[in-house]
Amino acid sequence: AQSVTQPDIHITVSEGASLELRCNYSYGATPYLFWYVQSPGQGLQLLLKYFSGDTLVQGIKGFEAEFKRSQSSFNLRKPSVHWSDAAEYFCAVQLGAGSYQLTFGKGTKLSVIP
Amino acid sequence: EAGVAQSPRYKIIEKRQSVAFWCNPISGHATLYWYQQILGQGPKLLIQFQNNGVVDDSQLPKDRFSAERLKGVDSTLKIQPAKLEDSAVYLCASSWLRTGNEQFFGPGTRLTVL
Repeated sequence: AQSVTQPDIHITVSEGASLELRCNYSYGATPYLFWYVQSPGQGLQLLLKYFSGDTLVQGIKGFEAEFKRSQSSFNLRKPSVHWSDAAEYFCAVQLGAGSYQLTFGKGTKLSVIP
Repeated sequence: EAGVAQSPRYKIIEKRQSVAFWCNPISGHATLYWYQQILGQGPKLLIQFQNNGVVDDSQLPKDRFSAERLKGVDSTLKIQPAKLEDSAVYLCASSWLRTGNEQFFGPGTRLTVL
């Protein structure tokens, strides 16, 4: 069965510092890959997604993610974190054509020190 | 464009009571999803509708959970009777009928079972 692993439960960074959140997936083929953000009391918002093509994907709010097939990874990055980025981040996979179900990782909570 | 609406936002009940959640998806979205998000975990799909038909309910505990989507628009998720382990946030999402399309999430209903 496919699975998504986010190895870091909680990360704390200083405002202005760079950020990388890790995501690894387990699946025979390359699934569709997503990053969502969830602020307290809010639903999930899509940051970016990867289906094919360029392995570096740009998203909203200055985030980007890089797909690495050899490592089965899809890590999320931001060069300079803002205090408003404090939230929980979820990596998710979708099997591909004909499938709509998203399988989520357990999430990484990001805290930002002013 | 109005987002996905859910009500109520919060609900506290005693175990063995029943509860119902309501979701109004984004206009025109054929696909509707209900997810359960237990504290500290990522959302888990409970049921997926395509128009008013069920596509996937393999992870729905059918002895106590039920859902319907009359007329292919609004949807209701019911739990009867509730157990302590049902305490979670119940998220509704909707999307266009196409793989890889973004799922738009509502703010969720936080259920506490005492």
